[in-house]
Amino acid sequence: QVTLKESGPVLVKPTETLTLTCTVSGFSLSNARMGVSWIRQPPGKALEWLAHIFSNDEKSYSTSLKSRLTISKDTSKSQVVLTMTNMDPVDTATYYCARINLLAHAFDIWGQGTMVTVSS
Amino acid sequence: EIVLTQSPGTLSLSPGERATLSCRASQSVSSSYLAWYQQKPGQAPRLLIYGASSRATGIPDRFSGSGSGTDFTLTISRLEPEDFAVYYCQQYGSSPPNTFGQGTKLEIK
Repeated sequence: QVTLKESGPVLVKPTETLTLTCTVSGFSLSNARMGVSWIRQPPGKALEWLAHIFSNDEKSYSTSLKSRLTISKDTSKSQVVLTMTNMDPVDTATYYCARINLLAHAFDIWGQGTMVTVSS
Repeated sequence: EIVLTQSPGTLSLSPGERATLSCRASQSVSSSYLAWYQQKPGQAPRLLIYGASSRATGIPDRFSGSGSGTDFTLTISRLEPEDFAVYYCQQYGSSPPNTFGQGTKLEIK
């Protein structure tokens, strides 16, 4: 069974750096047909793609957030890490990690999401 | 950046009716790279359709997708009570690689 699970702080202060971890099981981060993305959703709003990483370490970022994001992976630990610098209250959202299936070019499996609130 | 515009914003229908949701792209999108998701309150999105018209594993055949170029459609042939949710389209491939539409809320009339 393929699963993804997000972990990280529930509350961060403005200007702090957010670090989120996605732990995957049921597939390997070395699988060339799969990748992992981070996607967020502010309360009551639409989904926003943030970043992705593939087995060959290819990375891509949202144009508007590129300067604040870093994505990395530890294949041996089956983990993908996203850092976002200089957090602001507008970054309050549920953050999801999702598997990209390159055979479908879609996000076929999603984590449950983790809610992050930015407040002093 | 490709912008996806979904319409209507909200669709009010009754169980048993047919639902037609639209997704329009600001530039041509390869049909292979257009997907639809369903999201219920408090849950993560679920993949329904990929490649514009292929149903994901376990998705009932009352869900169908169609379209090409800049115009895509998700159709639910006969609405079941569990189908009332928010639906998003998504495109993969252009820079940035992924964008989502703003969503269509399907509500019970």
